Amino acid sequence: DAKTTQPPSMDCAEGRAANLPCNHSTISGNEYVYWYRQIHSQGPQYIIHGLKNNETNEMASLIITEDRKSSTLILPHATLRDTAVYYCIVRAPWNNDMRFGAGTRLTVKP
Amino acid sequence: DAGVIQSPRHEVTEMGQEVTLRCKPISGHNSLFWYRQTMMRGLELLIYFNNNVPIDDSGMPEDRFSAKMPNASFSTLKIQPSEPRDSAVYFCASSFEGGPSTDTQYFGPGTRLTVL
Repeated sequence: DAKTTQPPSMDCAEGRAANLPCNHSTISGNEYVYWYRQIHSQGPQYIIHGLKNNETNEMASLIITEDRKSSTLILPHATLRDTAVYYCIVRAPWNNDMRFGAGTRLTVKP
Repeated sequence: DAGVIQSPRHEVTEMGQEVTLRCKPISGHNSLFWYRQTMMRGLELLIYFNNNVPIDDSGMPEDRFSAKMPNASFSTLKIQPSEPRDSAVYFCASSFEGGPSTDTQYFGPGTRLTVL
């Protein structure tokens, strides 16, 4: 029961932007949107998180709609090493039980 | 920054044997989490500690599983006796809990357990 909906898979051409959508229509006002990714056989890697403002770091940008019911993770220049399963998670500050769901399998192609 | 350290990385054992997985959290973090990942169930939280105290163990599957955190820099997850259905990848994560924002969890590389 992950509270988020993501497409099961997406492809992206190397060097192009990868835009990964996530729906979280039942998000509460105090819940943050987190993104992690898991490269094959590795532990989940934190990417970015936000509450309502758009966020950017060295890895990615996070765009959250004004009503906060959906968000998009943007990898500006995807590389082959960005091929992974990407998880969108919503959680409140006091809730440590992160529900990962099935995620989106992103394949970056040459 | 060494990140979360887990050992062993791979463990193969026979049914009925005791298995101990180990985790060293990131220095300065005060919360530690044990997760299990399988193809069927995905990533599941088993137990988490705050300041070395178990806070929520509702995800621990049964009495064969136990976890300890004797100090801030070490935790163990023990399975006794192990069964084939325990085969999975076990991840440890840590975070710093105490600020006004959420607490980002950072994961270790995992231990791949195979019970024959």
